[in-house]
Amino acid sequence: DIVMTQSPDSLAVSLGERATINCKSSQTVLYTSNNKNYLAWYQQKPGQSPKLLIDWASTRESGVPDRFSGSGSGTDFTLTISSLQAEDVAVYYCQQYYSTPLTFGGGTMVEIK
Amino acid sequence: QVQLQESGPGLVKPSETLSLTCTVSGHSISSGYSWGWIRQPPGKGLEWIGNIYHGGSTYYNPSLMSRVTISLDTSKNQFSLKLSSVTAADTAVYYCARHKSGSLYDALNIWGQGTMVTVSS
Repeated sequence: DIVMTQSPDSLAVSLGERATINCKSSQTVLYTSNNKNYLAWYQQKPGQSPKLLIDWASTRESGVPDRFSGSGSGTDFTLTISSLQAEDVAVYYCQQYYSTPLTFGGGTMVEIK
Repeated sequence: QVQLQESGPGLVKPSETLSLTCTVSGHSISSGYSWGWIRQPPGKGLEWIGNIYHGGSTYYNPSLMSRVTISLDTSKNQFSLKLSSVTAADTAVYYCARHKSGSLYDALNIWGQGTMVTVSS
């Protein structure tokens, strides 16, 4: 199984400031034949189901604000919220879909400082 | 607009079988896409349970494989989850979801609202 490790477990950021979440996979999720990273980021607000923010490590879903961005390749990935808004308070998960079993990171809780 | 809705008993006794159904609206499940089940124990992270393709092929998490069955009912536009011999460790919110494309190897872009299942006598 590919183990996904997120850091930090939680972070508190002031409104308008940058939030950075890291995700590391135990083996590469880069498929060299198509040069795609099989990595997604989800946002889960309290009492809600997860919402897909970014797939292929850096492709933002339609309707997702451009303050959310994903980067990285291979085994190391980052989700950045460039200017934190109150509505961004949530738990964020990375997920690999390179191989089965599909696996998720443990989650990072983002709060307002 | 594609929507997914989970349904099933909220309480299951230990050693019995958990059975959930995901009703899909806005898309015929027999015409494409890959459909999955994911669960989330209270206060914890997400665990993939398994997937079924529109043609009926299934893929399961090895950690649950001996107890899991996912099936399609195209006449009702539903897919189902059965988890046998449940214990308290199976207490979780269960989500059904759809992959963005016809492949299991793609992100999950449509999720149901989730249904809480408690295993207790």
